[in-house]
Amino acid sequence: GESVGLHLPTLSVQEGDNSIINCAYSNSASDYFIWYKQESGKGPQFIIDIRSNMDKRQGQRVTVLLNKTVKHLSLQIAATQPGDSAVYFCAENVYNQGGKLIFGQGTELSVKP
Amino acid sequence: EPEVTQTPSHQVTQMGQEVILRCVPISNHLYFYWYRQILGQKVEFLVSFYNNEISEKSEIFDDQFSVERPDGSNFTLKIRSTKLEDSAMYFCASSPRRNNQPQHFGDGTRLSIL
Repeated sequence: GESVGLHLPTLSVQEGDNSIINCAYSNSASDYFIWYKQESGKGPQFIIDIRSNMDKRQGQRVTVLLNKTVKHLSLQIAATQPGDSAVYFCAENVYNQGGKLIFGQGTELSVKP
Repeated sequence: EPEVTQTPSHQVTQMGQEVILRCVPISNHLYFYWYRQILGQKVEFLVSFYNNEISEKSEIFDDQFSVERPDGSNFTLKIRSTKLEDSAMYFCASSPRRNNQPQHFGDGTRLSIL
């Protein structure tokens, strides 16, 4: 079936530490993956994406890793800041399904100052 | 930076009434989407729209739902006869292409059905 799930529903880290948020996906036809950040009362905000022909992509303070063998996606945030506190969702795009994104359950990241 | 805008931010409607949620996608984007998020749950796909046609829809998007691009800037979601279980946040999104491009989301409309 279609499902994107997260291993950890909540994650609490100290300011300055690195954070790792994990995601499992089940559809092997998914070819594009996105991480979104959602703050309270706001819509999902794009953080970083990765195509299935890559296994790593880096942005500013964020890195996404893709392991297609075990259908696993992770988001690494370096030097986590209080402003990073939010719910993080992974989403997968299955090729040729009209652009439909399948979202995971979300992980709430809490950064302690 | 261009953004997706949605109105109203909060809509309160009596059960059985029709409601129209409005969105202005990013101007050079060609693909448009509606998602919903029931409180505390994950974001769920409703429908995608391109070239004035529905590209894909989910099981949630039944005959009570419709979408329209009435002019060159607006994209609307209509629910004909609302039910209590339609209460949710409704997000509009847009992207330049269908595949391999991030979808950019608005801040949503909170729909409360009484």
